[in-house]
Amino acid sequence: AQSVTQPDIHITVSEGASLELRCNYSYGATPYLFWYVQSPGQGLQLLLKYFSGDTLVQGIKGFEAEFKRSQSSFNLRKPSVHWSDAAEYFCAVGAPYGQNFVFGPGTRLSVLP
Amino acid sequence: DSGVTQTPKHLITATGQRVTLRCSPRSGDLSVYWYQQSLDQGLQFLIQYYNGEERAKGNILERFSAQQFPDLHSELNLSSLELGDSALYFCASSTTTSGGARDTQYFGPGTRLTVL
Repeated sequence: AQSVTQPDIHITVSEGASLELRCNYSYGATPYLFWYVQSPGQGLQLLLKYFSGDTLVQGIKGFEAEFKRSQSSFNLRKPSVHWSDAAEYFCAVGAPYGQNFVFGPGTRLSVLP
Repeated sequence: DSGVTQTPKHLITATGQRVTLRCSPRSGDLSVYWYQQSLDQGLQFLIQYYNGEERAKGNILERFSAQQFPDLHSELNLSSLELGDSALYFCASSTTTSGGARDTQYFGPGTRLTVL
């Protein structure tokens, strides 16, 4: 069965600074990988996903993520954070022939003005 | 706005009671997923329906059940409620022609259930 860890529970960055949120997964083969964002009081919104091919994936809102098979990681990055990026970020893994996701515990991002 | 609607937004009830949460998927989506988000358990997959039939089951308690109707809306029934059932319940939908995690899931805003 697949599993996901997000080592950082809470991260604080200054507006304009770069951001990297870590995600490590456990799965026997190449999984499907996702990053979702949850703003306060909102549902989850898909930022980006990786199925195969180019290991650097571009998403919405200026986010990107890189799949590194050797490290079982799928870290999310953004070169310059905006105050509106303050939210909870969830990494998720899905088995190619499975029907559901396993979500990580989430990382809460705070942005200082 | 994802196009997925959930009602009600908030629900407050007492232990031992039964409640029904409703979800309308995006137009054209055949699959509906239910998730529970709580502080101690995080975001957990409960169950998936595809075109009226149960497709996958996750960590759903026996006290919980769901169904998907011919018009594709879905209901999650929670009975004999306990304090620990207090959580945010999300519904998501996807097109799911072939099924599997490849389908992008679109999440609704959730129903916050408080059990007193």
